[in-house]
Amino acid sequence: EIVLTQSPGTLSLSPGERVTLSCRASQSLSNSYLVWYQQKPGQAPRLLIYAASSRATGIPDRFSGSGSGTDFTLTISRLEPEDFAVYYCQQYGSSPLYSFGQGTKLEIK
Amino acid sequence: EVQLVESGGGLVKPGGSLRLSCAASGFPFTDAWMSWVRQAPGKGLEWVARIKSSASGGTTDYPAPVKGRFTISRDDSENRVHLQMNSLKTEDTALYYCTWVGYHGLLFALWGRGAMVTVSS
Repeated sequence: EIVLTQSPGTLSLSPGERVTLSCRASQSLSNSYLVWYQQKPGQAPRLLIYAASSRATGIPDRFSGSGSGTDFTLTISRLEPEDFAVYYCQQYGSSPLYSFGQGTKLEIK
Repeated sequence: EVQLVESGGGLVKPGGSLRLSCAASGFPFTDAWMSWVRQAPGKGLEWVARIKSSASGGTTDYPAPVKGRFTISRDDSENRVHLQMNSLKTEDTALYYCTWVGYHGLLFALWGRGAMVTVSS
């Protein structure tokens, strides 16, 4: 079973800052199999990044993903007020087919 | 409009059963692989079931915590996917999201707003 560990658990930042979120896998992943979602309070998650580095339709270019093997990152180049949310990484694999990290919460400082 | 709308949530006693439904619109449902993902109150996300399109065999998959208790099915004539949940446990309490599985089955491209299931005596 592949386990995804996200760090840090919570980040307190100000609008305009740059932030990098980490997602570490317990086993090496194909880049195609790493995905990022954003979830705002009271809303369903929204697809942000797929295949480790490709932005989903309608996602602003301040969001970028990178990484390979076991270490992946999501970077927001300049935080907007609407970016304060919880971010989850997700992998596709075997047993279970899909698993998520525990999430990183971005909160306004 | 592309959307997924869940229904059927509610309060059920431990050991009981509940059936969730999801109405899909705005995309070619018969070609779509569909899944359910749940989120316990204040917790993270957990995948609970997937069904492939009928053209891909309509096969189903489940993670260990729900295998043998949950059954996902689809009705292509009504553009609906269902989740039959039996032998419910208190730890099944969660918001259940219906999702459209995209990008060659690798991710959850579209999410509904969720249906709340509470298992409590």
